[in-house]
Amino acid sequence: DTEVTQTPKHLVMGMTNKKSLKCEQHMGHRAMYWYKQKAKKPPELMFVYSYEKLSINESVPSRFSPECPNSSLLNLHLHALQPEDSALYLCASSQRSYFDRPAAFSGNTIYFGEGSWLTVV
Amino acid sequence: GQQLNQSPQSMFIQEGEDVSMNCTSSSIFNTWLWYKQDPGEGPVLLIALYKAGELTSNGRLTAQFGITRKDSFLNISASIPSDVGIYFCAGQGGAQKLVFGQGTRLTINP
Repeated sequence: DTEVTQTPKHLVMGMTNKKSLKCEQHMGHRAMYWYKQKAKKPPELMFVYSYEKLSINESVPSRFSPECPNSSLLNLHLHALQPEDSALYLCASSQRSYFDRPAAFSGNTIYFGEGSWLTVV
Repeated sequence: GQQLNQSPQSMFIQEGEDVSMNCTSSSIFNTWLWYKQDPGEGPVLLIALYKAGELTSNGRLTAQFGITRKDSFLNISASIPSDVGIYFCAGQGGAQKLVFGQGTRLTINP
């Protein structure tokens, strides 16, 4: 079973709202990711968590705040977003973390959730 | 930074035809992944390739990890309507970042 579940499927929020996107996986994966995808474009990496610790932040604005409460859950807290932040937000996970053994990182497959459609009005 | 060139950008074919798309990179990758994305959904993994020269099949899909580790191709045989979608290649080097191609949009005429 390679399932990553995301909620909500759709979210509409105003620029002054605070909301959260949630992601869950029960595959025992050690790395979890947030990606942002605009229409007709490939996914763009935002954050990577390894062993529940933030390991990569791709210079994402602070209005996006990730959180990893435990090894199965990943949240993305949203506050004071702009209309241009409207996009499909994808959560993903992979079995290995880069911090296991870099040499063993080859062959690490990343599985995506169905995404959360965010519209900022 | 690392870049992937994926081609073609779009394909319009007749049902039953074979499809071929490829990705090339200026950098070496340790892993090549091929995903399909339907409208409004997340990318679904089709094939994962872990070794240079590896040729892997998944039903009507076949993908190869180039021997130079800088390229990969995906073939779809005898296309059917549900093959419609956007196909992304993705390469992974030594770090955790996945580098995506720009996608190939496949349209099938019945």
